[in-house]
Amino acid sequence: DAGITQSPRHKVTETGTPVTLRCHQTENHRYMYWYRQDPGHGLRLIHYSYGVKDTDKGEVSDGYSVSRSKTEDFLLTLESATSSQTSVYFCASRSGQGGTGELFFGEGSRLTVL
Amino acid sequence: AQSVTQPDIHITVSEGASLELRCNYSYGATPYLFWYVQSPGQGLQLLLKYFSGDTLVQGIKGFEAEFKRSQSSFNLRKPSVHWSDAAEYFCAVVGEAAGNKLTFGGGTRVLVKP
Repeated sequence: DAGITQSPRHKVTETGTPVTLRCHQTENHRYMYWYRQDPGHGLRLIHYSYGVKDTDKGEVSDGYSVSRSKTEDFLLTLESATSSQTSVYFCASRSGQGGTGELFFGEGSRLTVL
Repeated sequence: AQSVTQPDIHITVSEGASLELRCNYSYGATPYLFWYVQSPGQGLQLLLKYFSGDTLVQGIKGFEAEFKRSQSSFNLRKPSVHWSDAAEYFCAVVGEAAGNKLTFGGGTRVLVKP
């Protein structure tokens, strides 16, 4: 399996506070992704990156920002957390070109916003 | 826009019985299709994928899936279920756009009775 780690794995915070989740991969993968998982919705793409400093929005990007200053790290920031952002967040990465590459997932970060 | 529907939210099956999980997709061109499995508290693992060619695809852990273009379906099957197959299963489709964005279905949770 690809070496992808997420931190923190669990976090409880209060509404209005900033939160940053970190994804670190050791595979030199070009593409990285942040998804959120909620019951009944499967996984929904928040943001993704197709290279250092190259990012784009997914389907549920409102309230989230990302940064990628190095190939191995992809940060997801909630500038002012809300209860609707309580979720499990998964990072994923992929190498290669085109539309056929497999995504490798981290083990998830459970965020609770009170 | 692409979409994926998994009609069954929960399925209960007896150990040793056969299993079939349904997946219907909507996508204008030839789809790239995936099945992922998620064990409790874990990330997602790729079971199998379809890009082109033979419409019956073999995967890991004894799973297979059949692509039927006429029905826009990509159903997952296993002839004999083991207790370790209890998990949540996600079907996904990828569109040919920068970043290889995967769109996931809502998932099917499989319970295995002894």
